[in-house]
Amino acid sequence: GQQVMQIPQYQHVQEGEDFTTYCNSSTTLSNIQWYKQRPGGHPVFLIQLVKSGEVKKQKRLTFQFGEAKKNSSLHITATQTTDVGTYFCAGLRGSGNTGKLIFGQGTTLQVKP
Amino acid sequence: GAGVSQTPSNKVTEKGKYVELRCDPISGHTALYWYRQSLGQGPEFLIYFQGTGAADDSGLPNDRFFAVRPEGSVSTLKIQRTERGDSAVYLCASSLDRVRAEQFFGPGTRLTVL
Repeated sequence: GQQVMQIPQYQHVQEGEDFTTYCNSSTTLSNIQWYKQRPGGHPVFLIQLVKSGEVKKQKRLTFQFGEAKKNSSLHITATQTTDVGTYFCAGLRGSGNTGKLIFGQGTTLQVKP
Repeated sequence: GAGVSQTPSNKVTEKGKYVELRCDPISGHTALYWYRQSLGQGPEFLIYFQGTGAADDSGLPNDRFFAVRPEGSVSTLKIQRTERGDSAVYLCASSLDRVRAEQFFGPGTRLTVL
């Protein structure tokens, strides 16, 4: 079945360092979404990428969708302690009438002050 | 309410019992999703409703799991003959209408099967 893999599983950084998480799908995706989950919380939507090669920025966060629409990345510049949490990518396959998002296993970010 | 709500927040049951988990989506959202999340894992898709009908139930693990949304708003996830392996956080999400829209998650129901 369709799989979405994320690496690394965990990342510890010093505050101010950069952070990147990578997401790879076994199949071509129609779009990809990114979510953040704080410890003890629920996933919160960050962004959606739809076009091949698309790059979007939100302040210190940069999201990229690969040309083949099978991979994506999230890069955080100059991490802060508020960035702590688990970042999930979630892929949507096909253009049919299904909302079946396939989530990666997430990358948990720890930031040392 | 302002967001997706789920009740109960915690449910402890014994193996073999029947449980119902409720989800109240954001008002006006026609799409509703159920996921379950185990510790250290990403949410696992269970079922997706568009209005009253289940548009995709391919994620339900077996016939012990069933979900309804009779009036196109509140949804109930029903689990029969619970097993210890069903223990997880069950998340509900809703989105405005289109398949590709942002999903808003509720706080989840933590189910523990003893």
